[in-house]
Amino acid sequence: EDQVTQSPEALRLQEGESSSLNCSYTVSGLRGLFWYRQDPGKGPEFLFTLYSAGEEKEKERLKATLTKKESFLHITAPKPEDSATYLCAVQAANDYKLSFGAGTTVTVRA
Amino acid sequence: NAGVTQTPKFRVLKTGQSMTLLCAQDMNHEYMYWYRQDPGMGLRLIHYSVGEGTTAKGEVPDGYNVSRLKKQNFLLGLESAAPSQTSVYFCASSYSPETGYNEQFFGPGTRLTVL
Repeated sequence: EDQVTQSPEALRLQEGESSSLNCSYTVSGLRGLFWYRQDPGKGPEFLFTLYSAGEEKEKERLKATLTKKESFLHITAPKPEDSATYLCAVQAANDYKLSFGAGTTVTVRA
Repeated sequence: NAGVTQTPKFRVLKTGQSMTLLCAQDMNHEYMYWYRQDPGMGLRLIHYSVGEGTTAKGEVPDGYNVSRLKKQNFLLGLESAAPSQTSVYFCASSYSPETGYNEQFFGPGTRLTVL
C-alpha cells in the first residue's frame, strides 16, 4: 500500500525566514509526485509534478526536489501570502489514483 | 473556463436523509474523483471514474454511491446520511488525452454536516 508522510505538521516562520517541508513516501513504482497548496475553505491548488529522482521545479519562492524516498518543498524568503497548507501526493505506476499526506500547515508572520 | 465546479457549497442533513453532490468539469478530462477531507487525516478517495459510464471504489467507499452518465459530470450520493459522513467533500478531475497531463484539478468543496 502506498504511504505518504509529511513533516512537520505545522511550521511557523518569520517573513524572510527560509525553510523546508518534507514528504516521505513508499510506492510500488513512482509515476509522479505532486505538490498542492490549500488555503482555508478552498480546494487544493496544483503546484508541481515531479517524475524522477534528481528532478527539481521552481515557482516564485517555492522549489520542489525529489529523491527515491522523499521530496522537499523549499520556501525561500517567505511572505505572509505563502501561509497555507501544503499537500504532497504520490501516484503509483499504472494507477489512476493519488495517495495524499496529511499536509504541513505553514504560517508566515510579518 | 470554469474548471471544476461543485454544488452545493454547504449542506446540513439529518441522520437518515439522502442527498446528491454534483461535480462538473469543462476541461474534457477523462478521469474524475471524489474525496473527503477530515482534520488530521488528509484527503481520502471515496470513488473514482476513468471514463463515462465507469466507476470504481476508492479507499473509503462505504455509504456512498456514484454515477457518471456524462463525461463532464460526476455525482456522489448519500442514501442514508450518518454523522460519520460529516466532512468536506472535494471533486477532482484529471487527464486530457490532448495534453497528456495527469495532474488532478480540484473543485472548491462541499461542506456537509450530518446531525
